[in-house]
Amino acid sequence: EPEVTQTPSHQVTQMGQEVILRCVPISNHLYFYWYRQILGQKVEFLVSFYNNEISEKSEIFDDQFSVERPDGSNFTLKIRSTKLEDSAMYFCASRENVGAGYEQYFGPGTRLTVT
Amino acid sequence: GIQVEQSPPDLILQEGANSTLRCNFSDSVNNLQWFHQNPWGQLINLFYIPSGTKQNGRLSATTVATERYSLLYISSSQTTDSGVYFCAVEDDTGGFKTIFGAGTRLFVKA
Repeated sequence: EPEVTQTPSHQVTQMGQEVILRCVPISNHLYFYWYRQILGQKVEFLVSFYNNEISEKSEIFDDQFSVERPDGSNFTLKIRSTKLEDSAMYFCASRENVGAGYEQYFGPGTRLTVT
Repeated sequence: GIQVEQSPPDLILQEGANSTLRCNFSDSVNNLQWFHQNPWGQLINLFYIPSGTKQNGRLSATTVATERYSLLYISSSQTTDSGVYFCAVEDDTGGFKTIFGAGTRLFVKA
């Protein structure tokens, strides 16, 4: 069964450094998402992406964040200058289409630790 | 925006017991999914259930969209069912944003 993959599984970085989290969505999917989950809290929507554009973003997704689909398979989340409070699990998701009948498929997550 | 409330927030069960987890949402939804977050943090997709009833082994789910709630049933619970159960909904205004509930933390005792 096709699945969403994410790399790395765990990343440790120092405050102020840039990080890029990578995701490979399911191949025929057109809609892509990033979520984050701070330890012990609920999963929060960050951004959705379709047709090489951001479709919607939350208030969390400020100028420090950016997303890109650099080629036909990868979908990346970049944090320009990491802060301690960026430490969280980051989930990528994809879906074939929007609307009723199309579920999201989630990747296993990348645990980001900012020291 | 749409609000999602899950209850109970915490649940402790003896192995073999049954339980019902509830998800209430404040507006019409196009999609609803139930997830189990395992001890490694992975989100395991249990059900995609915007309406109706589905069953998968010891788990089943029912969504009554007109009354804005969904229920997840766990029968004959096992210790491996422990973890956090999340309900996630997507409103019907575009499909680009999914809102998660705060989750139900389940612990099943041997």
